[in-house]
Amino acid sequence: QLQLQESGPRLVKPSETLSLTCTVSDASISSSTTSYWGWVRQPPGQRLEWIANIYYNGNTYYNPSLKSRVTISVDTSKNQFSLRLNSVTASDTAVYYCARARGLYGLDVWGQGITVTVSS
Amino acid sequence: DIAMTQSPLSLPVTPGEPASISCNSSQSLLHRNGYNYLDWYLQKPGQSPQLLISLGSNRASGVPDRFTGSGSGTDFTLRINRVEAEDVGIYYCMQALQIPVTFGPGTKVDFK
Repeated sequence: QLQLQESGPRLVKPSETLSLTCTVSDASISSSTTSYWGWVRQPPGQRLEWIANIYYNGNTYYNPSLKSRVTISVDTSKNQFSLRLNSVTASDTAVYYCARARGLYGLDVWGQGITVTVSS
Repeated sequence: DIAMTQSPLSLPVTPGEPASISCNSSQSLLHRNGYNYLDWYLQKPGQSPQLLISLGSNRASGVPDRFTGSGSGTDFTLRINRVEAEDVGIYYCMQALQIPVTFGPGTKVDFK
């Protein structure tokens, strides 16, 4: 059964870069031609916020509000995809989820989430 | 951006009784392909969100048939025909017609 697991630092200093990786188990990113892979975050007490999606061939889709600071990438050799968010501030403090999607819709498999705090 | 609203924001329910949540979008979510790009998710306490309904009315794999999604354009409804204990949590609608994908504020469902 497909599983996703987020990993990365849980504490990031302001102005630095947040880097997260999602490891995909029991499915191959490069073979999953109907799947997209993405990131969603949830700041404390706020609604879910979509960040970005990527297709296995490298096609990317970004939230315009974050696009200038965000990079999503995929490493098919490691069966992982990653998120980089530059110049973080306290407002980037959130639970970050990786997910498998059917396009932009249908996020049908989610990781357990990783809490990232931006603080000095 | 397409703005998503939900009502009510809090819904006390009685086990075994029906429940209904509304979701409205600031623009039509009906694509020319005939699909409404509207999903429903449930986030149970302490868990990640899980997909209930995609494309307006398509129940996700493993989702009980007591959950039904309906609606088109800008007005959508999620119905639970008999609420069970495991259904408590926060329900979110999400539009995926247009970038950025946007979520509703969530409806908290718990028992009276």
